Amino acid sequence: GIQVEQSPPDLILQEGANSTLRCNFSDSVNNLQWFHQNPWGQLINLFYIPSGTKQNGRLSATTVATERYSLLYISSSQTTDSGVYFCAVESMNYGGSQGNLIFGKGTKLSVKP
Amino acid sequence: NAGVTQTPKFQVLKTGQSMTLQCAQDMNHEYMSWYRQDPGMGLRLIHYSVGAGITDQGEVPNGYNVSRSTTEDFPLRLLSAAPSQTSVYFCASSYRRGHGYTFGSGTRLTVV
Repeated sequence: GIQVEQSPPDLILQEGANSTLRCNFSDSVNNLQWFHQNPWGQLINLFYIPSGTKQNGRLSATTVATERYSLLYISSSQTTDSGVYFCAVESMNYGGSQGNLIFGKGTKLSVKP
Repeated sequence: NAGVTQTPKFQVLKTGQSMTLQCAQDMNHEYMSWYRQDPGMGLRLIHYSVGAGITDQGEVPNGYNVSRSTTEDFPLRLLSAAPSQTSVYFCASSYRRGHGYTFGSGTRLTVV
C-alpha cells in the first residue's frame, strides 16, 4: 500500500516563528488532507489539498502531486498551534481504498511562549 | 448539530471481556470509519463503511467487528479484549469519498 512519511517528527518553536512541515507519499493520490490534533486529542481538518496551494489565515498548504509531496506552512506561530499535525492520503491506485485515508505518523509541534 | 458522537470517552476492560464502542453522526454522511491511534504510529484504519449494510476491513481489522444497519450508527465491537487493543479509538465520517472528514472526540480504551 501507499507509504506516507512526515518530517520532522518533532519541532519546537518560539512563539512568532515560522515553520514548514513536510509530507512525502509513495504513490499517486486522489486526496490529501492535513489535520491538527490539539493537546486534548481532538482532530481538526485543516486542508483538503490533493494539488495546488490553499491558505487559511496563518496556515497555508501546497501539494506538488507530480513530485509526491505536500508542505504545511505555519506563520507567526502561537502557543495554540501546539499539537500533532497529520498528513493523510487516499491512493489513486489502490482499488479497494473506497475513499480511505492513510495517515502519516505526524509531526509534534510545541510552541513556547 | 452534534457532528460525530462517540461513547464512552473512557473505558477499562479486563482481558477477555467484550464491549461495543458507539459512534453516531447526524450529518447524513454515507462514509464512516474507525481508526486506532497508538503512540508513534499515527492513525490506522480498522474498518470502514460506504453506506448502510456495507462494511469492509481496513489495515488492522483483527479482533474487531462492525456492522452498519443505519446511516447514522457505526458501532465497533471487541469480542474478546486483549492488552494489545489498548489504544485511543476514533470514529470519522464524510459526506462523500475522501472529502470533509469529521472526527469524533475519541474513546480511550485500556485493557488490563
